[in-house]
Amino acid sequence: GQSLEQPSEVTAVEGAIVQINCTYQTSGFYGLSWYQQHDGGAPTFLSYNALDGLEETGRFSSFLSRSDSYGYLLLQELQMKDSASYFCAVRGNQGGKLIFGQGTELSVKP
Amino acid sequence: SQTIHQWPATLVQPVGSPLSLECTVEGTSNPNLYWYRQAAGRGLQLLFYSVGIGQISSEVPQNLSASRPQDRQFILSSKKLLLSDSGFYLCAWSVTSTSSEAFFGQGTRLTVV
Repeated sequence: GQSLEQPSEVTAVEGAIVQINCTYQTSGFYGLSWYQQHDGGAPTFLSYNALDGLEETGRFSSFLSRSDSYGYLLLQELQMKDSASYFCAVRGNQGGKLIFGQGTELSVKP
Repeated sequence: SQTIHQWPATLVQPVGSPLSLECTVEGTSNPNLYWYRQAAGRGLQLLFYSVGIGQISSEVPQNLSASRPQDRQFILSSKKLLLSDSGFYLCAWSVTSTSSEAFFGQGTRLTVV
């Protein structure tokens, strides 16, 4: 089966940099995705890594190491609006189902 | 452009009553479709996914069922709701079974009383 682990919560101050880690176990691998979810809202796609290395999208970057089954989401120049839950996700063997981690609640303080 | 519609937004149902949540996708063909449930403050639990009409894979045995009567329509049902069925239900779609990105509906907040 598939499973993902990520910290349950992270706190940081405005303007800082925060890293949210994710380790995964899966019998097949089609890349690691990251999603953001604000309270009461729907998850929205942030970033995706299929190959090792860093992908940068504005203030957000995502990293993947397939040999370590590990990835992280890096948020720079934190803003209050970044307070939300962040989920990593992987697809199972042969694609199909998309499995999410339990989520990391990020609190950005002034 | 593609859009996903999910309704209703909120629902309060008594224990033992039936349930039907509907999700439709517009602007694409043969999408992969998903139903997730999210308990308060928790992660997204995959309930069902479908790669085509009539093809439903169930991830968690429970008193819920799913159907895909049309290419872009995905329905989540229950004959008799339990208190434990309360939660935030999210429908999602992706272009293929290996797509990097999934797109979510706005969700249905179900409270079973």
